[in-house]
Parts: sequence; C-alpha cells; structure tokens
Amino acid sequence: DAKTTQPPSMDCAEGRAANLPCNHSTISGNEYVYWYRQIHSQGPQYIIHGLKNNETNEMASLIITEDRKSSTLILPHATLRDTAVYYCIVRVLFGNQFYFGTGTSLTVIP
Amino acid sequence: NAGVMQNPRHLVRRRGQEARLRCSPMKGHSHVYWYRQLPEEGLKFMVYLQKENIIDESGMPKERFSAEFPKEGPSILRIQQVVRGDSAAYFCASSPERSHGSSYEQYFGPGTRLTVT
Repeated sequence: DAKTTQPPSMDCAEGRAANLPCNHSTISGNEYVYWYRQIHSQGPQYIIHGLKNNETNEMASLIITEDRKSSTLILPHATLRDTAVYYCIVRVLFGNQFYFGTGTSLTVIP
Repeated sequence: NAGVMQNPRHLVRRRGQEARLRCSPMKGHSHVYWYRQLPEEGLKFMVYLQKENIIDESGMPKERFSAEFPKEGPSILRIQQVVRGDSAAYFCASSPERSHGSSYEQYFGPGTRLTVT
C-alpha cells in the first residue's frame, strides 16, 4: 500500500511557487520517487521522478533530501490550470504498479 | 503520437449486464495496466498485462472481472453481471518495454466512467 504521507490540501497564489511536500521515511534504496497529478477526474499525468538527485524538467522540480526520507515537488510559477490532486508515489523502477494514496489537493487562487 | 486511448468514455449498464472497456496503448508500448478509481478515492491497481499474458492480477476481484491483451487489438477489461458497486472510473495506462536506463513511467488514458443503474 501507499508508503507516502502528504498534506490533504494546499492553496497557492497564482504566479507564486507551489511547494508540495511528501514524506516517505520507509523508502528503500532501490525505490524511486514519482509525482503524478490528476486534474478534475482526468487520467493521471506524469510530472517527474527521481532517485536521490534533484531533478528538473519543463513542468516542475523535485527536491529529495539527502537521507531520501522526504521530498518536495516545486511548481515554479503556479497557474490556475495547475489546480489538481498531486500524488507522491514511491516505487521500484520496474515495479508493476503505482500505489496512489489520497494525494494533496492543490488549489491555485487568482 | 497519439496517447493512450480508451473507449467508451462513458458507459451505462443495468445491474446484471456485462461491461466491456477497451484500451489502446501508446504506439510502441507493450505493457498495459488497469486501475479503478471509486468516487473520492485514489486509483487502485487491478491488473498488469503484456501481449497475450497476464503478468500481475493481484488487484483484480476474484469473480466477474477479467482482462486480456490479445496479440492484435486493444486490451479489454470485462466485468460480468455488473453491480452498483462497480460504478467507478476505470483508467488504463501503458508503458514501453522495460530496459535499464529508461524512466519507465506509465502514461494514462482519459478513463471510462461506468455507471451501473
């Protein structure tokens, strides 16, 4: 089952950075941290993933602590279209499934 | 490159009827996964298939549910004798062949919303 803990909801002002935390204190050495989001009951959308180094792509940045027990997803300039449920998931690279918990419901406020 | 396609997008069935949900993976993807999302809940894994093989069905209910991914054509999730509790959104995801060095994320379709009346 889900091995992550996320706050149930967060607000962020439009144009500001959204920082979404995730605790995964029991993560093992071969497990990656993945982030997905689900906008209004659409199919989940892949955002980013990482093992131990910080990662950045066109959508977001992922900061993983040195002990790998927590991470933060950063949306640098949140827009109204970023309003969604964000899921933090830990999984071995070739695992069969993603465990989606309840995620964080992010609301971007105008 | 078309994404994962699912049809129908909405399906209404009466109790006791059969529901067939179809999923066409992304081009070049040979792995298909089915998830179910009940209202106000997160997605729950059901089954993982490769062409003509079921790899992991640990999340599938033991009765009435079956899945296939034939050599040709889409993957099918079949629910026999539907009950009201089967009402949910069913999502399909696909991923490419596993290889070291690949990111191996799953790409999700738009889902099929099943309503059982």
